[in-house]
Amino acid sequence: EDQVTQSPEALRLQEGESSSLNCSYTVSGLRGLFWYRQDPGKGPEFLFTLYSAGEEKEKERLKATLTKKESFLHITAPKPEDSATYLCAVRRDQAGTALIFGKGTTLSVSS
Amino acid sequence: EPEVTQTPSHQVTQMGQEVILRCVPISNHLYFYWYRQILGQKVEFLVSFYNNEISEKSEIFDDQFSVERPDGSNFTLKIRSTKLEDSAMYFCADSAGREAFFGQGTRLTVV
Repeated sequence: EDQVTQSPEALRLQEGESSSLNCSYTVSGLRGLFWYRQDPGKGPEFLFTLYSAGEEKEKERLKATLTKKESFLHITAPKPEDSATYLCAVRRDQAGTALIFGKGTTLSVSS
Repeated sequence: EPEVTQTPSHQVTQMGQEVILRCVPISNHLYFYWYRQILGQKVEFLVSFYNNEISEKSEIFDDQFSVERPDGSNFTLKIRSTKLEDSAMYFCADSAGREAFFGQGTRLTVV
């Protein structure tokens, strides 16, 4: 069964304290791993898509990496405005098929 | 930047009533989706729509639900005879085949 597991469920950091979020997955025929940011009461905001093991993408203080079994979202020197829930999702089989989401990691960054 | 627009942002309905949730996707995208997120739970796939027909649906998407693209631009989700457990955030998303972009959601409260 296709599955996405994120850890930790919650993470508290001090401003400037770097850390990583984990997303492990089992899926038949991965056609993309997606990272989204979700603020309370809002829709998921697209961050990155990764397609093959070894791929990396960066955006400001965020860097996403992908292996054959998991993905990491590295947060370097976070700021309070990075506080949000970070969602990982996978797409299987072919373009356009549904995303399968993990439960997310809720990040709180205090100043 | 084009975005997915959903209306209404919040809907309160009596149990047993019908509701229609509306979405205006990004105009040149091909795949359209509805997802839902019950408070505190993961984002769950409901249905996808491609080439004016349903291409994939989950177990959640039973006879109570229907989707339409009535005028070539709007995309609607109809929920017949709502139940208390239908209370959730409902997100519309669309894709050109790779990344999926989400709207801000409709919060449905069934009382």
